[in-house]
Amino acid sequence: DGGITQSPKYLFRKEGQNVTLSCEQNLNHDAMYWYRQDPGQGLRLIYYSQIVNDFQKGDIAEGYSVSREKKESFPLTVTSAQKNPTAFYLCASRVARSYNEQFFGPGTRLTVL
Amino acid sequence: AQRVTQPEKLLSVFKGAPVELKCNYSYSGSPELFWYVQYSRQRLQLLLRHISRESIKGFTADLNKGETSFHLKKPFAQEEDSAMYYCAPVPDYNQGGKLIFGQGTELSVKP
Repeated sequence: DGGITQSPKYLFRKEGQNVTLSCEQNLNHDAMYWYRQDPGQGLRLIYYSQIVNDFQKGDIAEGYSVSREKKESFPLTVTSAQKNPTAFYLCASRVARSYNEQFFGPGTRLTVL
Repeated sequence: AQRVTQPEKLLSVFKGAPVELKCNYSYSGSPELFWYVQYSRQRLQLLLRHISRESIKGFTADLNKGETSFHLKKPFAQEEDSAMYYCAPVPDYNQGGKLIFGQGTELSVKP
């Protein structure tokens, strides 16, 4: 393990609150991704970034925001606008513009109380 | 856009039986495809990739361009193969590196 880390492992949030999930990698990867994993729905792409200071919306970006100020870091903020935020969130990174695989973090489980 | 489809959400087999997890792709050009696996309480990780033509943990996957498929196969399933399996293409650089996974197949191997 190591290489790509996520924190915290578990996160509880009250309705109406914004929370930020951390994702850090020391693999020198340019590309980073955020996915949401729900039972029976697989992995759904929230946001992705190929380079510092640039990112694009994935298929389910509504209610989420990201930043990419550093190559190593790609934090995800779950805002109060996200209707159903309780889920398992996975961060991934890879070498950009290559045929290399993605490396995944251990995930953060977010529960809205 | 580069898309893959996994038609089965759940696949249940008995130990020792052959297993095939289906993956179909729907984009043109020369595809490069991956299989990822997520065991219980472990992080998602690469299982194998098309370009390497390798066999990992007894699993193989052959690219069939005629059927646009990249099915994952193992002749004799083991209980420890029980996991979530995802098929994925390389990123779509026409869309800034977007990478969409298949819907995933949960494999359950019963004793």
